[in-house]
Amino acid sequence: SQTIHQWPATLVQPVGSPLSLECTVEGTSNPNLYWYRQAAGRGLQLLFYSVGIGQISSEVPQNLSASRPQDRQFILSSKKLLLSDSGFYLCAWSVPSGLQETQYFGPGTRLLVL
Amino acid sequence: GEDVEQSLFLSVREGDSSVINCTYTDSSSTYLYWYKQEPGAGLQLLTYIFSNMDMKQDQRLTVLLNKKDKHLSLRIADTQTGDSAIYFCAGLSGGYNKLIFGAGTRLAVHP
Repeated sequence: SQTIHQWPATLVQPVGSPLSLECTVEGTSNPNLYWYRQAAGRGLQLLFYSVGIGQISSEVPQNLSASRPQDRQFILSSKKLLLSDSGFYLCAWSVPSGLQETQYFGPGTRLLVL
Repeated sequence: GEDVEQSLFLSVREGDSSVINCTYTDSSSTYLYWYKQEPGAGLQLLTYIFSNMDMKQDQRLTVLLNKKDKHLSLRIADTQTGDSAIYFCAGLSGGYNKLIFGAGTRLAVHP
């Protein structure tokens, strides 16, 4: 069966520090991968998605970047964190199948920037 | 683009039915989803419905879709305390697999 992991589970970082959040998927090949952010008390906003190694699409301009160095690894990064980067970051995957691709979510990383 | 709206809060008594409502704007949305988020956790897929269906039932869950009014609802029968969570409605939008989420409905179940 497929599983998705995210780490760390929680992170407290000072403003201006770098960030690296990791997401890995097991049990499937060539998944589509997604990074979402959930601000406190709000819905999810899609940040990045990837259909393959090295292929990243950004949904919103921001202080963050994403990379996909391996087929089942998706990394969210920042060179200098802002206070507004605080939130709950969720990684998701789906099986590329055309019209309907159900997305399955990881456990999330809670980031607090102070 | 797609816009999805939900009421923010619902309180029900244990054993009653819960109905969580959602409206969406994009009539071309092909699939609509319900996810559940427990405190501090990721999102768990509950169910989804294809746009050519008007109802889907899965154990205690019933999804109703009114495509004309662009209205989606999730009914939870015999609501239990373990059902307390935030429920997100999401629609598939655009030419690729982009999910647009509502803000979530917080369901509180009390004895």
